[in-house]
Amino acid sequence: EAQVTQNPRYLITVTGKKLTVTCSQNMNHEYMSWYRQDPGLGLRQIYYSMNVEVTDKGDVPEGYKVSRKEKRNFPLILESPSPNQTSLYFCASSTRQGSETQYFGPGTRLLVL
Amino acid sequence: AQSVSQHNHHVILSEAASLELGCNYSYGGTVNLFWYVQYPGQHLQLLLKYFSGDPLVKGIKGFEAEFIKSKFSFNLRKPSVQWSDTAEYFCAVNRAAGNKLTFGGGTRVLVKP
Repeated sequence: EAQVTQNPRYLITVTGKKLTVTCSQNMNHEYMSWYRQDPGLGLRQIYYSMNVEVTDKGDVPEGYKVSRKEKRNFPLILESPSPNQTSLYFCASSTRQGSETQYFGPGTRLLVL
Repeated sequence: AQSVSQHNHHVILSEAASLELGCNYSYGGTVNLFWYVQYPGQHLQLLLKYFSGDPLVKGIKGFEAEFIKSKFSFNLRKPSVQWSDTAEYFCAVNRAAGNKLTFGGGTRVLVKP
C-alpha cells in the first residue's frame, strides 16, 4: 500500500531534550516536505527536499533541522525543543516538484513542556 | 511571498444545505490550486486540484471548485452536504513548477444531522 508513515504519532517531551520525528514513504517520490499545523494558521511549511541531499527552508524553519540521506526517509530534528514548537506535524511527499499533488502522513502530535 | 486567505474559520450547517467555502490567493503568476480535506482524526487528503484547462473542476464526494483568475479565487462548493462532510478544509496554492505549497488557515465545517 502506497503511504507516508511517521513516528512517533504522539510525543511529550521537555524543553531542550533533542528529538527526531521520522518520515518514510514507499512511493519512490523525489519531493518530501514537513509542515506544522496550528489552529487558525493552517499548515506552514518547515523544510522541503527536492531529492537526496537537496533540502531547503520553508516558511518557518527556525528551530528545526532535516536531512535527506535516502530517498525514502526525511527525518525532522528538533535539537532543543521549546514550548512554541508544540504543534501537529505532517510529513508529505510527491512525485517531483512541490507543485504536484502531495500525499500526507498521519501526523505527529508534539507537546513540549 | 504568496499568501492564501480562507474567509470563514467556522461554518455550521444542516444536512442537505449547500456549502461554499471561499479561497483567495495573492500570487499573480501561473498557479496550481488545491483543496485538501482533513476528517476528524485523519490526515489530509486531496479533494480536488486545478492545474490548467476547464476552470470548473470536480473532485471526490460531490465537491467542485471554480478557478476565477481575475478574482484570484478558487472557491469550493457542494450542493448538498452530508453529516460525513464534517471536516476541516484547506485551500492551498503553489506557483506552477514551484517548490512551496502555501496553505490557507483552514475552515472547520460542522454538518448537523
